[in-house]
Amino acid sequence: GQQVMQIPQYQHVQEGEDFTTYCNSSTTLSNIQWYKQRPGGHPVFLIQLVKSGEVKKQKRLTFQFGEAKKNSSLHITATQTTDVGTYFCAGHNAGNMLTFGGGTRLMVKP
Amino acid sequence: ETGVTQTPRHLVMGMTNKKSLKCEQHLGHNAMYWYKQSAKKPLELMFVYNFKEQTENNSVPSRFSPECPNSSHLFLHLHTLQPEDSALYLCASSQVTYLNTEAFFGQGTRLTVV
Repeated sequence: GQQVMQIPQYQHVQEGEDFTTYCNSSTTLSNIQWYKQRPGGHPVFLIQLVKSGEVKKQKRLTFQFGEAKKNSSLHITATQTTDVGTYFCAGHNAGNMLTFGGGTRLMVKP
Repeated sequence: ETGVTQTPRHLVMGMTNKKSLKCEQHLGHNAMYWYKQSAKKPLELMFVYNFKEQTENNSVPSRFSPECPNSSHLFLHLHTLQPEDSALYLCASSQVTYLNTEAFFGQGTRLTVV
């Protein structure tokens, strides 16, 4: 079946440093979604990318969808303590199944 | 408030008990999901219902039994669980269309099996 993998599993950064998480799918995706889960909370949708090579920005967050539609990345510029949480990517395949990656847990030292 | 409500928020049960988790969505979505979240597998899909029909059963043990009486309600019936079933159980809903919109999660039920 479809597998979605994320790296790294954990990342400690100093406040102000940049952060990137990478997502790779074993199959071609119709779209990729990103979610953020704060400690003690539930996953909350951030964004969806649909087109090959698409890049979208939300303030300090930059999302990319690979040309082959099998990988994606989330980059945070100048992290803040409010960025703490686990970031999940999730992909839809042709069968409309939404499969989540294992998540990257971001910790920010003030 | 995401429009997806789960009850109870916390549950402690013995291995011989029978309990049920409830999920209700007020978003008019046509698909509902159960996910298990633990340290070992952060977001593990358990069951999917599209238009009240179960479309996926991700090799879940029979001690977990889902029920979807209508498109707004989803239950997870639990019986003879094991301590390793302790986890956060998340319900989600989405509107399954060509555009594949996002999933909305409930706040989860923290389950402890003793």
